[in-house]
Amino acid sequence: ETGVTQSPTHLIKTRGQQVTLRCSSQSGHNTVSWYQQALGQGPQFIFQYYREEENGRGNFPPRFSGLQFPNYSSELNVNALELDDSALYLCASSLGVGALNTEAFFGQGTRLTVV
Amino acid sequence: DQQVKQNSPSLSVQEGRISILNCDYTNSMFDYFLWYKKYPAEGPTFLISISSIKDKNEDGRFTVFLNKSAKHLSLHIVPSQPGDSAVYFCAANSNRDDKIIFGKGTRLHILP
Repeated sequence: ETGVTQSPTHLIKTRGQQVTLRCSSQSGHNTVSWYQQALGQGPQFIFQYYREEENGRGNFPPRFSGLQFPNYSSELNVNALELDDSALYLCASSLGVGALNTEAFFGQGTRLTVV
Repeated sequence: DQQVKQNSPSLSVQEGRISILNCDYTNSMFDYFLWYKKYPAEGPTFLISISSIKDKNEDGRFTVFLNKSAKHLSLHIVPSQPGDSAVYFCAANSNRDDKIIFGKGTRLHILP
């Protein structure tokens, strides 16, 4: 039990719609990272939040945005959904950044299907 | 541009024998290498890591070896057990950049 929970677990959306995915961090963790895992691929880094500020971003377009709240929970928002956005979205929490990020704890993921 | 490569999509090993999962990387600036294990319908679980200044790290049945000159690392599991059947992701991390770079994963099947 990692203590990182994501909601919802599954979601079906139509192309062009917007979606919000949620993540509750493990207690005491102040860093949250979001990853996209397409079928047959490894997780790809979307962005990271540290103490409510964005702290690094991967190669994803601006329609992928996020928030981190004072309690360190987080949201991933995706606008103008495309079919290729269908994937497993993983949230990972960790204590600190840099060297302390080596032990990130992942949630079970949200499976997003865009039709 | 895949910086972390796992060239074997799957591996089958007899229970009790040694499982060796391989990983290659291209970026010599990585500071840490990590292995994650993933069961279906669950998120990846951290297994073991190694700093770039070391060449071996052992934790129970799991040992990771790092060969920096070859930009290669491997995870050894011995003895292999049925519960080890899962997808294993090799990953890397830099102190300058907090993202974790993952390989595509290797599915390990432990045969009875």
